[in-house]
Amino acid sequence: GAGVSQSPSNKVTEKGKDVELRCDPISGHTALYWYRQRLGQGLEFLIYFQGNSAPDKSGLPSDRFSAERTGESVSTLTIQRTQQEDSAVYLCASSLAGRGLMYEQYFGPGTRLTVT
Amino acid sequence: AQSVTQLDSQVPVFEEAPVELRCNYSSSVSVYLFWYVQYPNQGLQLLLKYLSGSTLVESINGFEAEFNKSQTSFHLRKPSVHISDTAEYFCAVSIHFGNEKLTFGTGTRLTIIP
Repeated sequence: GAGVSQSPSNKVTEKGKDVELRCDPISGHTALYWYRQRLGQGLEFLIYFQGNSAPDKSGLPSDRFSAERTGESVSTLTIQRTQQEDSAVYLCASSLAGRGLMYEQYFGPGTRLTVT
Repeated sequence: AQSVTQLDSQVPVFEEAPVELRCNYSSSVSVYLFWYVQYPNQGLQLLLKYLSGSTLVESINGFEAEFNKSQTSFHLRKPSVHISDTAEYFCAVSIHFGNEKLTFGTGTRLTIIP
C-alpha cells in the first residue's frame, strides 16, 4: 500500500513569504507528527495530532508556525513570514498510536524548504 | 525532558569490519528506544526498537542494539558491515505513556570503505 506522501518535495521561497506544506498519512493511521531537520542537526519534533484530541503543539518554534489536520487524513503545516532559519527538511510521520503503546512511525520523504 | 547524544557524527569503516555506533540518552522516566536509518536519497526507516523484555534487539539485516539501563545507552553494532550499510543512522527515544513523539540524536553518518 501507499506510504506517507508529502508535497512539494522541494520549495524555494523568498524571505517574508508564507508557505504551506502538505502531508498525506497512511490510511487508517490515527496519529500524525511533523518534525524538522535542519542541516547538521537531528530531527526536532514540531507538532502531534491524535484522532480528535487537541494537538500537542509544544514543539512549534514560534507563532509563525501552525498546522491543521482534517479528521484522520491530510495535514498542512503553514509557515508565515518565512525566515532564513526556517530552511530545513520538514518530515511528516504517521502511526497507529495508542495510549501506553508504541507503534512504529512511518516517515514521508520530506519537503526541503529553502528560504532565500 | 529527555535527550539523545550521538557522539560520533561520522564513522568510516572498512568493508567486512565490525562497527559500533554509540547512543546515550537522558530521561527521568522510562523510555522506548529506536534506531532509524536513512539510506542515500531515501526516507527515514525504522531499523530496530526496544520496548520491553530482552535488552538485546536485532534487525533483519544483521544489526543489533543492547539497552543498558545503568549506562543509559543503546549502542548499535554489526559484526561485519557491507557497502549497502552506507547510510545515516539516528538514535531516538520516546517516553512511556507520553504522546509517543520521538526525540532524536544528531545522527551518525556511516561510510563503508571498500
